[in-house]
Amino acid sequence: NAGVMQNPRHLVRRRGQEARLRCSPMKGHSHVYWYRQLPEEGLKFMVYLQKENIIDESGMPKERFSAEFPKEGPSILRIQQVVRGDSAAYFCASSHPGTVAGNTIYFGEGSWLTVV
Amino acid sequence: QKEVEQDPGPLSVPEGAIVSLNCTYSNSAFQYFMWYRQYSRKGPELLMYTYSSGNKEDGRFTAQVDKSSKYISLFIRDSQPSDSATYLCAMSIPNFNKFYFGSGTKLNVKP
Repeated sequence: NAGVMQNPRHLVRRRGQEARLRCSPMKGHSHVYWYRQLPEEGLKFMVYLQKENIIDESGMPKERFSAEFPKEGPSILRIQQVVRGDSAAYFCASSHPGTVAGNTIYFGEGSWLTVV
Repeated sequence: QKEVEQDPGPLSVPEGAIVSLNCTYSNSAFQYFMWYRQYSRKGPELLMYTYSSGNKEDGRFTAQVDKSSKYISLFIRDSQPSDSATYLCAMSIPNFNKFYFGSGTKLNVKP
């Protein structure tokens, strides 16, 4: 499967714990986006990364949230000291700028975080 | 004003109907236009992708872009219950690598 891979698909955390969500982009794609979707709401942009570089993090909350995309391995969205309001679906998407189809993005199946 | 406006619905139609889904936008720099379909508890799936103005057809789906009116549409012919999902429009500016999404329209096709 050459699609965008996200894991875990479902994650339950107690308040105050850390959540780590992983994303492997589509084969050949070099750029990764993270979005958050609350129930019955639209997609909210969080962060845009390429390998070893955060390009745009204007949608990231100022505290507790961080993202990385290392040279090797998947992109990781990390949420520290989770609170109930962090319960949401987190979607990763990837693209390959500079190609004909580079101006569109492809999504993974999402990671559903539940904070209890 | 939001960059992209989309009626959230829900839109309920009988099986076999023609469905029209629409988005308006404010930024004339948008050149790439996309439609995604999202089933419940799933990721958005790219349906159609068009550049600039005009129509694009793929099976029962037709995407239409009217840049003069800043208006895009997705038409679904012979709608099926399996088309019941949320449809999201999205658009981008060439080489800016940032995507602007509508809030999604929930469609229900009744058998």
